[in-house]
Parts: sequence; structure tokens; C-alpha cells
Amino acid sequence: EAQVTQNPRYLITVTGKKLTVTCSQNMNHEYMSWYRQDPGLGLRQIYYSMNVEVTDKGDVPEGYKVSRKEKRNFPLILESPSPNQTSLYFCASSSPVRGDEQYFGPGTRLTVT
Amino acid sequence: QKEVEQNSGPLSVPEGAIASLNCTYSDRVSQSFFWYRQYSGKSPELIMSIYSNGDKEDGRFTAQLNKASQYVSLLIRDSQPSDSATYLCAVNAGGYNKLIFGAGTRLAVHP
Repeated sequence: EAQVTQNPRYLITVTGKKLTVTCSQNMNHEYMSWYRQDPGLGLRQIYYSMNVEVTDKGDVPEGYKVSRKEKRNFPLILESPSPNQTSLYFCASSSPVRGDEQYFGPGTRLTVT
Repeated sequence: QKEVEQNSGPLSVPEGAIASLNCTYSDRVSQSFFWYRQYSGKSPELIMSIYSNGDKEDGRFTAQLNKASQYVSLLIRDSQPSDSATYLCAVNAGGYNKLIFGAGTRLAVHP
């Protein structure tokens, strides 16, 4: 089954404790993105990747890091989480044929206290 | 700042009626337009894409694009309670993999 997976699905952590949210896709997509979704603000892109070792900032990259060492994986790293990073996070992937048609993972609900 | 605007709703329609969802965007060079459906607590699901002016129909869904007016709409015919969800409009912001999303319109279809 073609899918984007994320782990963990739910996470409660404390300020400053480094964490990683994993994302993996089995569709051989070259493009991958991370979004956060907050009430009233919609989905905002954090980082995106065009291919292995090629990443770039989206609209809200502050406080986040990413890496793309393998085509299928695109982890999101919060080196020192803060309460304003409490949000719902989605990973998405898309193919170069229809690069804009993005397919989303199930989401990770992060709470930073 | 490129923007995509949607009425937050809720838009309430009776079962069997046509639901009309609207979206405006600010960037004139946008070439790709999408509608995503998001059920509460779930991830967005792509339901329609449209790339040229006019209408595009897929089952009960029709997307309409007017680039001159910078306006995209989604019509849902014969609305069902299962259509109750938040509908997100997304617009290409230049280059692949770069979408700008609206905040979404919540649709409620009541029996």
C-alpha cells in the first residue's frame, strides 16, 4: 500500500529536550515536505526537500532542522523544543510528475510543556 | 506575502444540496490549484486539482478556476453527511513542492 508514515503519532515533551519525528514514504517520491498546522493559521511549510541531500527552508523554519540522507526518509528534528512549537505536524511527499500534488502522512501531535 | 483566503465557516447545508466553497489567492503567477479534504483529527486528502481556467468535474465534485479574478471554487453536488469536513484550498507558490494553504472552510452537512 502506497503511504507516508510518521512516528510518533503523539508526543508530549518538555522544553529543551531534543526530539526527532520520523517520516518515511514508499512511493519512491523525490519531493518531501514538513508542515505544521495550527488553528486559524492553516498548514505552513517548515522545510522541503527536492531530493537526497537537497533541502530548503519553507515559511516557518526557525527552531527546526531536517536531513535527507535516503530518498524514502525525511526526519524533522527539534534541537531545543519550546512551547510555541506545540502543534500538529504533517509530512508530505510528491512525485516529480505532479510535484504539487502532495500526499500527507497521518500527522504527529506534539505538545511541549 | 502570498496569501490564500477562505471563509472559515461553518458552512451548513442540508443533505442533498449543493455546497459551494470559495477561495481567493494573491499571487497572479500561480499555475496549480488544489482542494484537500480534512476530517477532524486526520490528515489532508487531495480531492481535486485544477490547472487551467474553467471547470473540472470528478464525480460529485466540480472545481472551478478563474485566473483573471484569482478565484477558485469547489462545488459538491448531492452533499452527504460524510462530506462534513474542513476543505483546504492550496495554491502553487512557484516551483515544485511549494504550496500555500488557506486556513480552510468547515462544511457541515445535516440530514
